[in-house]
Amino acid sequence: DAGVTQSPTHLIKTRGQHVTLRCSPISGHKSVSWYQQVLGQGPQFIFQYYEKEERGRGNFPDRFSARQFPNYSSELNVNALLLGDSALYLCASSHGRNTEAFFGQGTRLTVV
Amino acid sequence: KQEVTQIPAALSVPEGENLVLNCSFTDSAIYNLQWFRQDPGKGLTSLLLIQSSQREQTSGRLNASLDKSSGRSTLYIAASQPGDSATYLCAVINNYGQNFVFGPGTRLSVLP
Repeated sequence: DAGVTQSPTHLIKTRGQHVTLRCSPISGHKSVSWYQQVLGQGPQFIFQYYEKEERGRGNFPDRFSARQFPNYSSELNVNALLLGDSALYLCASSHGRNTEAFFGQGTRLTVV
Repeated sequence: KQEVTQIPAALSVPEGENLVLNCSFTDSAIYNLQWFRQDPGKGLTSLLLIQSSQREQTSGRLNASLDKSSGRSTLYIAASQPGDSATYLCAVINNYGQNFVFGPGTRLSVLP
């Protein structure tokens, strides 16, 4: 079985540009969450979707948005990129809140 | 606001030693706790999930315990191997939330 897949694996963008990151959850998982991990720190929560509805939002500016599609895959969009947005972006999927969560390999975003 | 800390921040041990990693959280109203492993530049690999009603979980050489009342969890690694070298993260989901709150991680080096 395929695990959580994220694309692209690496990305370099210029300040002010827009970026879209993609995540495909494990088959059968309806919950997808996004996290940002800056070097040397633990991941920080950005968004959680369950059954295509937003169930939670972390302390991130409105430049960050996300959505979940009918097949439960998800996109994270970031507008007006800043140097500080450079990080590893992680996607996690699970059946629900009380079940084990599995993470993808992440997308390394570098903003120059 | 839930805060998660991990001690020590870094640990270096010779191969074959048994070791304990510590995780503390400030709010005991947690739904579950999960331990993850992260290799440099990679995503998170799930190690063990402990639900709030459980006291411990075991998988191979790993054993994780949970004491909700004191806000602590430990990850015990038996007979450490160089392949165990990685950063170990603990994360909790609060009763009132949907997302993980992560600790900063413990960076483990097992020397041959």
